[in-house]
Amino acid sequence: EPEVTQTPSHQVTQMGQEVILRCVPISNHLYFYWYRQILGQKVEFLVSFYNNEISEKSEIFDDQFSVERPDGSNFTLKIRSTKLEDSAMYFCASSEALGSYGYTFGSGTRLTVV
Amino acid sequence: AQSVTQLDSQVPVFEEAPVELRCNYSSSVSVYLFWYVQYPNQGLQLLLKYLSGSTLVESINGFEAEFNKSQTSFHLRKPSVHISDTAEYFCAVTQSTGGGNKLTFGTGTQLKVEL
Repeated sequence: EPEVTQTPSHQVTQMGQEVILRCVPISNHLYFYWYRQILGQKVEFLVSFYNNEISEKSEIFDDQFSVERPDGSNFTLKIRSTKLEDSAMYFCASSEALGSYGYTFGSGTRLTVV
Repeated sequence: AQSVTQLDSQVPVFEEAPVELRCNYSSSVSVYLFWYVQYPNQGLQLLLKYLSGSTLVESINGFEAEFNKSQTSFHLRKPSVHISDTAEYFCAVTQSTGGGNKLTFGTGTQLKVEL
């Protein structure tokens, strides 16, 4: 079964450093998303991406965050200058159509900012 | 705006007993509804979804959920749980029309199945 692949599975970074989280969505999917889950809390929407541009973003997704689809397969989330409160599990997801088919999530990247 | 409420943060249950995990949503427009399961140290897996049609939807591992529009609920049930069902379960909603295709999640329910 097709899956969304995320790398790395765990990343530790120093506060203030830039970090890039990588995702390979399912090949025929058109919509891409990033969500995050702070330990013990609910999963929160960060950003959605379609047709090479951001289609929606949450208030969490401030200027420190950016997304990119640098080639036909990868989808990246960059955090420019990490803060302690960015420590969370980050999930990438993709979907074939707008909302209707359910989202396929990756297994996540656990980001720890020290 | 939409929101999801999962009133039960933890549900302990004995193996082979029935279980119901509650989910209520709020939305000003029609929605699609989902249940996701997260096993320890793993990602989110789609368990089942309601898009349209029959209000009762089933998963391959014996879970079912019923969409109740009047009560704005989408409770998840299983008649007989197994130890392997121990996981966190998240209810989620997205708008079915118009813009805004993001998923809004509830806070999750930890199902703990005991022998």
